[in-house]
Formats: sequence, structure tokens, C-alpha cells
Amino acid sequence: QKEVEQNSGPLSVPEGAIASLNCTYSDRGSQSFFWYRQYSGKSPELIMFIYSNGDKEDGRFTAQLNKASQYVSLLIRDSQPSDSATYLCAVRSAGNQFYFGTGTSLTVIP
Amino acid sequence: GAVVSQHPSRVICKSGTSVKIECRSLDFQATTMFWYRQFPKQSLMLMATSNEGSKATYEQGVEKDKFLINHASLTLSTLTVTSAHPEDSSFYICSARVPGQGGNTEAFFGQGTRLTVV
Repeated sequence: QKEVEQNSGPLSVPEGAIASLNCTYSDRGSQSFFWYRQYSGKSPELIMFIYSNGDKEDGRFTAQLNKASQYVSLLIRDSQPSDSATYLCAVRSAGNQFYFGTGTSLTVIP
Repeated sequence: GAVVSQHPSRVICKSGTSVKIECRSLDFQATTMFWYRQFPKQSLMLMATSNEGSKATYEQGVEKDKFLINHASLTLSTLTVTSAHPEDSSFYICSARVPGQGGNTEAFFGQGTRLTVV
């Protein structure tokens, strides 16, 4: 398995704050990068994907990619209690397989 | 996003029996599907990559004779857990790769199957 590392947390932020989630990966041949949200007992759901270095914004979410540092992050602005979930970083390898990090548990406190 | 349907969502079986899980792409053709297993409070572990019309590619440590994968059509892949044991109890999730422009792809997930072996 390719290595994808995430801080398992738990990460707690107050409602309205910015939540910052980080991920590093070991395979330099990785092609693209994804953030999924997973609620307990449910399948992951795609939040964002990013292929190029830099920032990509979608509503309250911003993904940041730095291929030189093999680092990808997700910022959630104006965090809401409904954002409380486990966030999974996924990396698509050169062989087109998807590998996941262990996930970061986020709790948004009302 | 694309729709991937997985069935059943929950199954309980006796030790020693076999269980088949289906994964269907409903609104696109999936030449490649992936099978994952997730134990409680752990991440998704890729078990195998299923390619339509050819043998599946298994990750290291996954027993191909125990976890049989068939991808007979562009919309259906099946995972059969043979001679199930209690340690096989887990959340099994399939995903299908959706080819995009420029070779970029996304993966969409089925609802998952909670397997309990008693």
C-alpha cells in the first residue's frame, strides 16, 4: 500500500472557525488528490479533488496542493456542526489505484 | 456525481459460508472498480482492483482465493467472501473510477456492505 499520512485527531474547532486538515503522501508519481468526508457507518463522499499545485476553492472548502513537499491540505471556512465527520485524504497513484489516509476526525462545537 | 450502487447493505452469515457482494455503476460504464475493507476506526484498505474482462489485481496480503472478484460487465463487479470467518467481519466498500478529461479521474463509492460473520 502506498503511504498516505494524516493526523488522526480528534480536531475540535468552534462553530464559525476555520478547520485545517493536513495530509502527506509518499508516492511522488501520484497523479491526483482527493478529500472525502465519511460519517460513521457510511461510505465516503467526495468533497473536492485537486490535480495541480496551488489552491482550489469550492464554496467553504479550499484544497491546497504542494507536489514538491508531497503535501495536500483542506481548509473548511465558517465551520458548521454538520461538518463534524472523519475526513479522508486519498491519492491516486500512477497505476490509477486510490489509496487512503487513516482520516482526521473533526468536531465542530456549536 | 456518478452513482454506484452496492448490495446488500448489511449481511449476517454463518462461519464457513460464502457471501457475494455486488457493485453496480448505474449511469456510467466502469472499466475499473476497486474493493476496499474498513475495520472500525481505521481507514479504507484497498483490497483489489477489478478490471472488466480480466483478472483482478490484488494488493499484497489479500488472499485471492478467499476474496473472489468477478467483473464480467462494464457495470457490475462482484466480491465473494468464501468460507467466511468472524475475522472477515468488516465494512466492505466498492468504488468505480470515472474517467475524466485529460486522463484525470474521480472515484465514487457504493453505500458499503456491513458483513458480520457469526
